[in-house]
Amino acid sequence: EIVLTQSPATLSLSPGERATLSCRASQSVSTYLAWYQQKPGQAPRLLIYDASNRATGIPARFSGSGSGTDFTLTISSLEPEDFAVYYCQQRSSWPPEVTFGPGTKVDIK
Amino acid sequence: QLQLQESGPGLVKPSETLSLTCTVSGGSISSSSYFWGWIRQPPGKGLEWIGNIHYRGSTEYNVSLKSRVTMSVDTSKNQFSLKLSSVTAADTAMYYCARRPFGAASAPGAFDIWGQGTMVTVSS
Repeated sequence: EIVLTQSPATLSLSPGERATLSCRASQSVSTYLAWYQQKPGQAPRLLIYDASNRATGIPARFSGSGSGTDFTLTISSLEPEDFAVYYCQQRSSWPPEVTFGPGTKVDIK
Repeated sequence: QLQLQESGPGLVKPSETLSLTCTVSGGSISSSSYFWGWIRQPPGKGLEWIGNIHYRGSTEYNVSLKSRVTMSVDTSKNQFSLKLSSVTAADTAMYYCARRPFGAASAPGAFDIWGQGTMVTVSS
């Protein structure tokens, strides 16, 4: 099983600041990595797929990068609505498997 | 636009079988470019993938749950379902259904559309 590790567990920032979230895989996942945002009481929302592609309707302040085992989600300038938990997710074809990271909480400093 | 809605009992007794259905509206479940998946989230914890099903019936299950999971699809009702047997308190969670494109579809491998989730509690 491919294990995803996210850091930091919590990121305390102010609106307008830049957020940099990390996701590391226990083995290469190529670019098969996605990022989600989840707010309390809501389902996760897809932000980024294939490591660096923004999903439909996602603002340009969200960007993803990386390949292999190390990935980054960057929020260039935090808006009040961006304070949430962020999860990374990988998929592998064989064996067919999907795993999520434990999440990074971005909260208001 | 496409919407997913979970339904099923909110309370299941230990050792019994949890059964949930996801109804797809605003589009067809019978598309070759999508898997239909289940993901759960225990209270205050992270996300766990349970499995996927294609409308033609092929399935992929989380190895850790495989012995207890069965998924099925009913194209006539535009629904897919989850059964999880021999449940314990550890299966208490919010259960989400979601769409997962693959191949040439947009956002392959990611869950791009989610239902709102349904809370299932395992308790006697």
